[in-house]
Amino acid sequence: GDSVTQKQGQVTLSEDDFLFINCTYSTTTYPTLLWYVQYPGQGPQLLLKVTTANNKGISRGFEATYDKGTTSFHLQKASVQESDSAVYFCALVDYGGSGNKLIFGTGTLLSVKP
Amino acid sequence: NTKITQSPRYLILGRANKSLECEQHLGHNAMYWYKQSAEKPPELMFLYNLKQLIRNETVPSRFIPECPDSSKLLLHISAVDPEDSAVYFCASSHGRGDSDYTFGSGTRLLVI
Repeated sequence: GDSVTQKQGQVTLSEDDFLFINCTYSTTTYPTLLWYVQYPGQGPQLLLKVTTANNKGISRGFEATYDKGTTSFHLQKASVQESDSAVYFCALVDYGGSGNKLIFGTGTLLSVKP
Repeated sequence: NTKITQSPRYLILGRANKSLECEQHLGHNAMYWYKQSAEKPPELMFLYNLKQLIRNETVPSRFIPECPDSSKLLLHISAVDPEDSAVYFCASSHGRGDSDYTFGSGTRLLVI
């Protein structure tokens, strides 16, 4: 079945550091890939989305590029801020016959020190 | 997040029956229940589209969803089990084929 893998459980950075969060996926269909961000006590929020039609997504300084060859969808940001501290989930859309569902990776907790 | 409201925010139960409520103010046709256990990603439980249950992810029968109208979603829980302790998120999207979800803030269920 479809799956998403995030190997980094936690990333700790200082403000203005470069962020890289690894995500790889497995699917037999053309993927729609997303990054969601979850702040404490809140539900996940869509950060950015990429399909095979537009292989790069950019939002709020974050960007992710879909690479079919390596089946990767890494998240990057040039300069993180303390307010970026949150859990980041990579997700893949499972196109079930009756309706979609999101398959989430295990999440990466980003802690940014001031 | 006033776009999707969930109640209650916190729920502590013994082996009792209770209902979780969700209402979305986005005009969306599809609504979902997701379960997020501690330090795990959200997992789909149920998907409704236009008030019809169209996806059930093999959830224990003690969880019974209900969609009284297209903007409201309920989750009835009977005889809860400790493994049910989790945060239950309601979400919605324009349609069942859409992948841009809006999530509520969740109901944190603790079974004691």
